[in-house]
Amino acid sequence: DIQMTQSPSSLSASVRDRVTITCRASQSISTFINWYQQKPGKAPTLLIYTASTLQSGVPSRFSGSGSGTDFTLTISSLQAEDFATYYCQQSKGTPHTFGQGTKLEIK
Amino acid sequence: QVLLVQPGAEVKEPGASVKVSCKASGYTFTHYGISWVRQAPGQGLEWMGWISAYNSNRNYAQNLQGRVTLTTDTSTNTAYMELRSLTSDDTAVYYCARDRGTVPGIFDYWGQGALVTVSS
Repeated sequence: DIQMTQSPSSLSASVRDRVTITCRASQSISTFINWYQQKPGKAPTLLIYTASTLQSGVPSRFSGSGSGTDFTLTISSLQAEDFATYYCQQSKGTPHTFGQGTKLEIK
Repeated sequence: QVLLVQPGAEVKEPGASVKVSCKASGYTFTHYGISWVRQAPGQGLEWMGWISAYNSNRNYAQNLQGRVTLTTDTSTNTAYMELRSLTSDDTAVYYCARDRGTVPGIFDYWGQGALVTVSS
């Protein structure tokens, strides 16, 4: 199975900060990585797919990059509604494994 | 709009089975697959398996093989996940998610989740 390792596990930041979350795959997955946001008590929502494509309706302050084994999710200017948990997930092969999550909290 | 509607909560005893439904609307059901993802309390996300709503091809996570069965009913646009021989480790929220299909493994719409509690 492909292991996905996110860092950091938690992060404190302020509104208008620029934030970067990283995800490393245990083997090359090309650009087959997706990012999700999950708020407490809610289902995850798709933010970015195939490393850098913004899902329809997602604000442009979210961006993704990387290929191979190292990937990043960047939020250019944090808004209050962005405080949530973020997961990376690989779609290179099954099982479609997720990272352990990064909890983004208000400083 | 695309909607995936799941039932609320269920409580099951250890050793029992549970069958969770996921009723889809707002798109052509047979043009996409459905994946199931679960989340234990306070934990991360675990992919359980995928089924094509077109031809019922399936792919299961190896750790659940033999205990889980995914099915679809194209007459009602509903997907089902059945999990057998439940233990307390199966206590989780079970989500269905639409798989974009053209590149499998991208989950663009999710149900609201169904909490399954396994307890005696």
